[in-house]
Amino acid sequence: AQTVTQSQPEMSVQEAETVTLSCTYDTSENNYYLFWYKQPPSRQMILVIRQEAYKQQNATENRFSVNFQKAAKSFSLKISDSQLGDTAMYFCAFMKRDSGYSTLTFGKGTMLLVSP
Amino acid sequence: GAVVSQHPSRVICKSGTSVKIECRSLDFQATTMFWYRQFPKQSLMLMATSNEGSKATYEQGVEKDKFLINHASLTLSTLTVTSAHPEDSSFYICSAPPGVGQETQYFGPGTRLLVL
Repeated sequence: AQTVTQSQPEMSVQEAETVTLSCTYDTSENNYYLFWYKQPPSRQMILVIRQEAYKQQNATENRFSVNFQKAAKSFSLKISDSQLGDTAMYFCAFMKRDSGYSTLTFGKGTMLLVSP
Repeated sequence: GAVVSQHPSRVICKSGTSVKIECRSLDFQATTMFWYRQFPKQSLMLMATSNEGSKATYEQGVEKDKFLINHASLTLSTLTVTSAHPEDSSFYICSAPPGVGQETQYFGPGTRLLVL
């Protein structure tokens, strides 16, 4: 079974600054995906970024980038130039790569507050 | 991206009644859908995997007779909370992968259930 750990229940950052959210995971699988999802106050889950474990290059999506350290089983999210709209709960998630459908395992989440 | 809808968005019911929640994939077919439960300020917990044309697969600790799942078509899965009690009050979210081997899931907007 996989586990995902987010050790920061809450984080605060000022607008335009950079913040890093931490995530570690434990698995015996070699092929898998890692995700960061955002859940704003509306509670709609929104995919922020995805990383394939077999790719060494860190994924980036505009202001969002990850630091993927496979050996250390670490997957942190960096948000640059933080905006007020980034205020949300952020969940790190793991999915085993399979030929069929695989389930997502979520961490407990980090509440990010961006202040003016 | 693919769209998943849920209905109703919120429901209030009396203890002992049954409540049905619908999850629809609007622009793609989903032979598999997932149902999650989320308590306030907590993470998403997978309840069950809904399979079109066959029985749902429930996670350990989830009562099959309590949470009935029906996946009658390629675009619709329903979750029925039978004989609801106040402890069933929660936020229920469904998700669906857009295809076999697709390494992502699209989430519905969620349904807030309050049992009085």
